Amino acid sequence: ETGVTQTPRHLVMGMTNKKSLKCEQHLGHNAMYWYKQSAKKPLELMFVYNFKEQTENNSVPSRFSPECPNSSHLFLHLHTLQPEDSALYLCAASPGGYDYGYTFGSGTRLTVV
Amino acid sequence: ELKVEQNPLFLSMQEGKNYTIYCNYSTTSDRLYWYRQDPGKSLESLFVLLSNGAVKQEGRLMASLDTKARLSTLHITAAVHDLSATYFCAVDMDQAGTALIFGKGTTLSVSS
Repeated sequence: ETGVTQTPRHLVMGMTNKKSLKCEQHLGHNAMYWYKQSAKKPLELMFVYNFKEQTENNSVPSRFSPECPNSSHLFLHLHTLQPEDSALYLCAASPGGYDYGYTFGSGTRLTVV
Repeated sequence: ELKVEQNPLFLSMQEGKNYTIYCNYSTTSDRLYWYRQDPGKSLESLFVLLSNGAVKQEGRLMASLDTKARLSTLHITAAVHDLSATYFCAVDMDQAGTALIFGKGTTLSVSS
C-alpha cells in the first residue's frame, strides 16, 4: 500500500452534481491537508486537519466542504462547483511539526463541465 | 502574507550542464522544503532544510538554505534527462509546521 491513497484518480462532474473526494493515509500521521493545483497557479492550501480537528481554512468557498472522520481518512465534499474549480486536488499527510516533509497522494484530477 | 517565489519558472538545460534554481520567501522561517513532481504524478519530497546554512545533497542535486537572505537554492550538477520534472520549494506558513506554502514551481527540461 502506498502511504497516501486518493480516490478517484479522475472525476468529471456537472456544475449541479454532488461528489466527494477521498483520501486515506496508512502512515499513522496526525496532520492531513487538502491542496489545489491549477495549471497557472502555485499549489494552494485549502484545509488543514490536526488530530481530526480543522485548524486551517484558507478562505475556501463553501462549495468545498471537508470532513475528517478519523485520523486516517479525509474527504472533500463538492457541490455546485464552477468550471474554474477544475484542477488537481492533492491530499497530503505529515507527522505534524516541522521536521518532516509531507507525503502526498497521487491526486484527483477534477473536471467541472 | 507569506509569499514564495521561484525562478526561473522554466529551465531548458543540456545534459552535462550545471544550473541553479532559486527560491525566495517573504517572511522569517528557518525551514524550507523541496519537492519534485513528474508529469501526471504526485509530489515527492526531496530535501528538508531545517536551519540556516543547512546543505543537503542527493545525487546530482544539492539544496542549501540562507535564512538571513530568505533564500534557498537547488543546484543541479551535470544534468541528466531523468532530472526533467517540476521542482517546488515550500515554506512553513507560520513556523509551527502548520502548513506549507509552495512556490509556483520550476519546470526543468534536460535534453541531449
